[in-house]
Amino acid sequence: EVQLLESGGGLVQPGGSLRVSCSASGFTFEKDAMTWVRQAPGKALEWVSTISASGRSTYYADSVKGRFTISRDNSYNTLYLQMNTLRADDTAIYYCAKGPRILYPDYWGQGTLVTVSS
Amino acid sequence: NFMLTQPHSVSESPGKTVTISCTRSSGSIATNYVQWYQQRPGNSPTTMIYEDSQRPSGVPDRFSGSIDSSSNSASLTISGLKTEDEADYYCQSYDSSFSWVFGGGTKLTVL
Repeated sequence: EVQLLESGGGLVQPGGSLRVSCSASGFTFEKDAMTWVRQAPGKALEWVSTISASGRSTYYADSVKGRFTISRDNSYNTLYLQMNTLRADDTAIYYCAKGPRILYPDYWGQGTLVTVSS
Repeated sequence: NFMLTQPHSVSESPGKTVTISCTRSSGSIATNYVQWYQQRPGNSPTTMIYEDSQRPSGVPDRFSGSIDSSSNSASLTISGLKTEDEADYYCQSYDSSFSWVFGGGTKLTVL
C-alpha cells in the first residue's frame, strides 16, 4: 500500500524558514517523480514544485522560485521542501504527491499545515 | 501561461448524471493531458482521471473524462450520483515548461 506521510509543518514568523518532509513507503521511491502541492485555507490547489525520480531535474512555481528548494533522498525514501523567506501568503496545507510522471500524480499524502504569522 | 476555468458549483440529485467542465484559456486543450482530482471535505485529494480519460484502479466506472476541442474544454462526468460523491473537484494540466496548472475547483452538491 502506497503511503506518503508529511511532517515538519508548524507556525513560523514572516521571513523565517521551515523544512517539511514526506516519508514514502509501499512503492519504489527512486522510480517516481515527486511533487509538492499546497492549499491555502478555503482556496484551490496550487502547484509548488516537482522533482524528477533521479533528483537531477527540478521545477518551481513562480510564486516560490528562489525561496523554496525541493530535494529528495532516495536512500531514505524521503522528499523535502526547504522554505525560506516565508510570507503570510505561504500559509497552507502542503501535500506531497507521487508520480507516475512529472506531469501529474497518482497518490497524495495527508498534508502538513504551515502557518506563517507573527 | 494559460488558465483552467471551472464552474464554482454544481448540484444534482442522487442517481442522476452531472458534468463538470474545465475550459482552457489559451492553447489547445488537446495539447497536454488533463487530470481530475476529488477532494472530500477535510481530506486530501485523490486522483480520479488521468490522461484525459483514464481511470486509476479502484475508481468506479461511474466517473469518466473527456476533452472537446470545439469548446477547448475537458469534462468530468459522474453518473449514478451518490451522496458520497459530494466533494470539490479540480482539473489539472501542465504547460511546456512542466509547470502544473489547476482549475479553481468545483463544489459538487448531491441533494
